[in-house]
This record gives sequence, C-alpha cells and structure tokens, in this order.
Amino acid sequence: KNEVEQSPQNLTAQEGEFITINCSYSVGISALHWLQQHPGGGIVSLFMLSSGKKKHGRLIATINIQEKHSSLHITASHPRDSAVYICAVERNTDKLIFGTGTRLQVFP
Amino acid sequence: EPEVTQTPSHQVTQMGQEVILRCVPISNHLYFYWYRQILGQKVEFLVSFYNNEISEKSEIFDDQFSVERPDGSNFTLKIRSTKLEDSAMYFCASKKGQGVETQYFGPGTRLLVL
Repeated sequence: KNEVEQSPQNLTAQEGEFITINCSYSVGISALHWLQQHPGGGIVSLFMLSSGKKKHGRLIATINIQEKHSSLHITASHPRDSAVYICAVERNTDKLIFGTGTRLQVFP
Repeated sequence: EPEVTQTPSHQVTQMGQEVILRCVPISNHLYFYWYRQILGQKVEFLVSFYNNEISEKSEIFDDQFSVERPDGSNFTLKIRSTKLEDSAMYFCASKKGQGVETQYFGPGTRLLVL
C-alpha cells in the first residue's frame, strides 16, 4: 500500500473553475509538501505545511494532522495551471515520500 | 533568484557504461538529495548527503550508485554500470538547513540507457 495517496489521478476543468486535489497519508509526518511538475519535467515546490493553512496567490493548501489529510485548492483556474500536482510527506528523516501525482488540465 | 542546476539535461548511454550526473546546488545550502522518476511513475528518493557523507539511502541506491561532492559547488551521482532499468529522470535537490525546510529541485537529467 502506498504511504501517500492522491485523488483524483486526473482532473480536467474549464478556465475559472475552483479545483481541489486531495492527499491522504498513512504515516506520522513532520511536514507535507505540495509540488508542481511541469510538462517538461521540472519540479517546483509550492507549499510546505506542518499544520493549518497556507495561501499563495490563487493557491491554498490545508492540512488536517489528525485525519492525515491535505488538500490543495486552486481558485479561478487558468490554462497555465495545467501540470501534475504532487503531494509528498517528510518523516523523521528529511527524505520526501511522494504520491503518484494528479494530472490537471485546464481548458479555455 | 538562486536555483539548482543540473547537467546534462539529456544523456543517452549504452548498457554497462558509466554515467555521471552533475548538480550545482544553491550556494549556501548544506543538504543535498538525489531522486529519480521512471517514466509514468512517481518520484522516488535515492540518497541524501550532508557534511560530505551519505545521511540516508534507499534500497534502489545499491553498489552501482555513488555520490560525491568533489569541490565546493558540484554534487554528482555516478552510476557505475548502467542497466536498462536505470532509464529515468534524475532530480537533484538541496535545502539550506536542518529540520523541516523547502527542498529546491533542479530541472532534472533525463537518462536513457540502450
């Protein structure tokens, strides 16, 4: 069983829609990371969370430590948001354990 | 803004050949990592490195793999005798300090073993 599960695996949306991507994990963690992988393969860190909620522009990330669950929200989605969004957790050591990613396509 | 760089961006090699993938972490970072992503699969941890020593390595990181920080800037991953299954995208990452911090990823090296 994967330690980090994401849903959905694929997501399509119309421009302007509100998007939610979910991440559940089964292990104790010190932090959870949301990353974005562009079509060319590069990985960019979006958020690092230990508790609560963080916001950056149109992106919002929340985490519920008790429920071992995190969500990434995109408000007013845009075609340039099309990418793979990856949830990764950090345990006692600082290696990252990755989910399989959610492929998002936003159409104009 | 400082960034992690990797060279080459693409490498094609024959099975059994040695390859060296190079990374230049962000200059004041102290913790370094290699990850890999086989096509269509999730990213996997290979190794972490701090203070000129391996901190942790995964089961994937067997005797065919080695890492080195030969000077103050470069961080290399060597695969001694490549196998077909080593074909993947290899990402280097670095972070500044101990504890929970953002890891900054390089653009990756796409390795194809024929």
